[in-house]
Amino acid sequence: DGGITQSPKYLFRKEGQNVTLSCEQNLNHDAMYWYRQDPGQGLRLIYYSQIVNDFQKGDIAEGYSVSREKKESFPLTVTSAQKNPTAFYLCASSVLTGGLTEAFFGQGTRLTVV
Amino acid sequence: QKEVEQNSGPLSVPEGAIASLNCTYSDRVSQSFFWYRQYSGKSPELIMSIYSNGDKEDGRFTAQLNKASQYVSLLIRDSQPSDSATYLCAVKALPGYKLIFGSGTRLLVRP
Repeated sequence: DGGITQSPKYLFRKEGQNVTLSCEQNLNHDAMYWYRQDPGQGLRLIYYSQIVNDFQKGDIAEGYSVSREKKESFPLTVTSAQKNPTAFYLCASSVLTGGLTEAFFGQGTRLTVV
Repeated sequence: QKEVEQNSGPLSVPEGAIASLNCTYSDRVSQSFFWYRQYSGKSPELIMSIYSNGDKEDGRFTAQLNKASQYVSLLIRDSQPSDSATYLCAVKALPGYKLIFGSGTRLLVRP
């Protein structure tokens, strides 16, 4: 089954902790994205990557870090520097160029600070 | 100015009517345009993509793109209560092909 898998579905973080959200895709997509969604809001871009070992900051990268060591994987770390991390986190992937460049989403991770 | 703008709604239409959702974008070199549907608590689901000026139809959905006016719209014909959701407009822009979303329009279809 081809798709994008995010884990865990729910995550609870204590104040001051770093947590890592997993995103794996088996669609052979080049581009991968991380978004944050707050209640009643749209999607805000955190980081995106077009190729292995390269990534770019989005609009709200402060307090987050990513890596892209494999084409299939794009984990997001929410660091203790992120002051308000409670949100719904969405990972997406797409073909980079050429014909159809639609992005497809994983099921999301809901992060709550306790 | 936001890169992608949508009216937040809610847009309320009766069942069977046409729902018209609009989106404007600021980057003139934007390449690709997408409409996603998002039900409460779920991840966005792609419903339409459009790359060239004009109309693109898929079942009850029609996407319309006007690059000169930097405007993309989505029409939903014969609206059903199950169409009630938030509709997100997304634009793939240069450089770097980053994918930017609007804040979404909430659609309510009244039975």
